[in-house]
Amino acid sequence: AQTVTQSQPEMSVQEAETVTLSCTYDTSESNYYLFWYKQPPSRQMILVIRQEAYKQQNATENRFSVNFQKAAKSFSLKISDSQLGDTAMYFCAFMKRTGGYQKVTFGTGTKLQVIP
Amino acid sequence: DVKVTQSSRYLVKRTGEKVFLECVQDMDHENMFWYRQDPGLGLRLIYFSYDVKMKEKGDIPEGYSVSREKKERFSLILESASTNQTSMYLCASSMGGDRGVFGYGYTFGSGTRLTVV
Repeated sequence: AQTVTQSQPEMSVQEAETVTLSCTYDTSESNYYLFWYKQPPSRQMILVIRQEAYKQQNATENRFSVNFQKAAKSFSLKISDSQLGDTAMYFCAFMKRTGGYQKVTFGTGTKLQVIP
Repeated sequence: DVKVTQSSRYLVKRTGEKVFLECVQDMDHENMFWYRQDPGLGLRLIYFSYDVKMKEKGDIPEGYSVSREKKERFSLILESASTNQTSMYLCASSMGGDRGVFGYGYTFGSGTRLTVV
């Protein structure tokens, strides 16, 4: 079974600064996907960024980027120029290709507070 | 705007009641999932369905059942609610892998906060 570990239950960052959220995972699979999801206080979970394991290039979406280290099984999220709207729970997630199911395994989350 | 809709944002039920949580998606997704979210535990998979009338147990199915009679609707049933089922319940959907499209993750509903007293 896959496991996803987020070792930082809570973090804070000053507005306009950069913050990095950590995530490690354990799997014997070679073909998989990794995600970061954001859950603002209003609770709707949305996808922030995704990474395909067979692509070495790190994914980037505007102010969000990842540092994907496949050998180390590490997948950290960097948020640049933090904004108040980035305040949320962030979940790291793993998905292997299992037939048509595409189940996702989530970490325990990191609560990020952006301070004005 | 495509979406996943959960019928209730907040529910309060009594111990022993039968509880239905409803989820509807309008994206023609094959896969649908029910998770519960608890502080410090993240999201844990209860049940999922990859086709109409098909269901699979997730990691914590005890005390729950599901129903999927139509492609767009996936119901979670608590046969006899207990206080340890007080939680946030999240429904999600995704395209099936049989379409040849993989790895695009889920679309989530807004969640149902269930309190069992």
